[in-house]
Formats: sequence, C-alpha cells, structure tokens
Amino acid sequence: KQEVTQIPAALSVPEGENLVLNCSFTDSAIYNLQWFRQDPGKGLTSLLLIQSSQREQTSGRLNASLDKSSGRSTLYIAASQPGDSATYLCAVSTGANSKLTFGKGITLSVRP
Amino acid sequence: DAGVIQSPRHEVTEMGQEVTLRCKPISGHDYLFWYRQTMMRGLELLIYFNNNVPIDDSGMPEDRFSAKMPNASFSTLKIQPSEPRDSAVYFCASSWDRDYGYTFGSGTRLTVV
Repeated sequence: KQEVTQIPAALSVPEGENLVLNCSFTDSAIYNLQWFRQDPGKGLTSLLLIQSSQREQTSGRLNASLDKSSGRSTLYIAASQPGDSATYLCAVSTGANSKLTFGKGITLSVRP
Repeated sequence: DAGVIQSPRHEVTEMGQEVTLRCKPISGHDYLFWYRQTMMRGLELLIYFNNNVPIDDSGMPEDRFSAKMPNASFSTLKIQPSEPRDSAVYFCASSWDRDYGYTFGSGTRLTVV
C-alpha cells in the first residue's frame, strides 16, 4: 500500500526566504507526482505535475523535483511571499487506474 | 469551463438524516473521484468512476455510503443514515487522463450534529 509522508506538518518562514518542502513515498512504482496548494476553506489547486519519466518541473518561482528510486520529491519555492501561505500537498498516482494517494500536507506561513 | 462544480458548499444535518452531495465534472473528463478530508486522516479516496462506471469503491467507509454516476456530467455521494463521525469536507475531482493532473471542486463541508 502506497504511503505518502510530508514532514514537517507546519513551517513558518520570513518573507523572501527560499524554502524546500519535502515529500516521501513508499512505493517507487508511480505514474506521476503532483503538488497541490490548498488555501483555508478552499479546494485544491494543482501546482505542478511531474511524470514518472521526468526529474523536475518548473512554474514561475516553483520548482518540483522527483527522485523515484529514493521515493522522494521536493517543492522549492524561491523568494517566498506572504501570498504563498497555504497548505501544500503532495500526491502520487499509483496503479493502472490513476489512484492518487495524498500526504497530509505542510502548512506554510510566510511572515511579512 | 467553470471547473468541477460541487453542491451544496455547506451542509448541516442531524444524525440519522440522509445527505446527498452533488458533483458536476469538467466536460470531457472520463475520471471522477470522491475524496474526504479530515484533520486526523487527511485526504482519503472514497470511490472513483471511469466512463461513469465505478472502478474502485474500496475507500467507502461502510454501507451507509453510496455513490452513483448516472451520466458523464453528474455524480452523487449519499450518506444514509448520517453520523457525527461523517463530518468532513468532501471533494469531487475529475481528470481526462491518468497522466494529466486532476481538477478539484471547492468541496462540501458536511457537519452532522
């Protein structure tokens, strides 16, 4: 059974800091990995999708990397801003029928 | 496209009552997923459909939960009878391919008192 872990559960940083959010998964046989953002009381917004054959994806100040063999992914946020404050969830797609398994997320707070 | 549309946004009901949650996926998406989110357990997959057919319902907690997808543009998740431990945010998501990301609805916050 696939398990996805995100540690720490919460993180607080000053504005402008570059930061890395970690995600680990137990079964390396994944189809893809996604990073989502969730604002309080809202649904999930997809940030980045990395195919199993890829090593990284970039979108603006965000960069996600994937190391399947070690079962790890990182989300790098450059020059963090208060508007980046949210919960960031990692999810992996496992199996022939696209089941997504989520981590519990990392709640990020960027202090002005 | 308006995205994945869920209704209602909030639902408060008394224990023992029937609750029906609704979802309209993005047109053209072949996959539809129902998730439940709680503080304790995070996001859990309850059931998903492919081309309106239920593929995996192993996440449905018990027989009180049922889901249907009568056509490509509509799905329901029903809880009967509801219990306080069912209180959670229920999300619907759709996707057109396993290699492309999912789009989530805004969720239904269910409170059973």
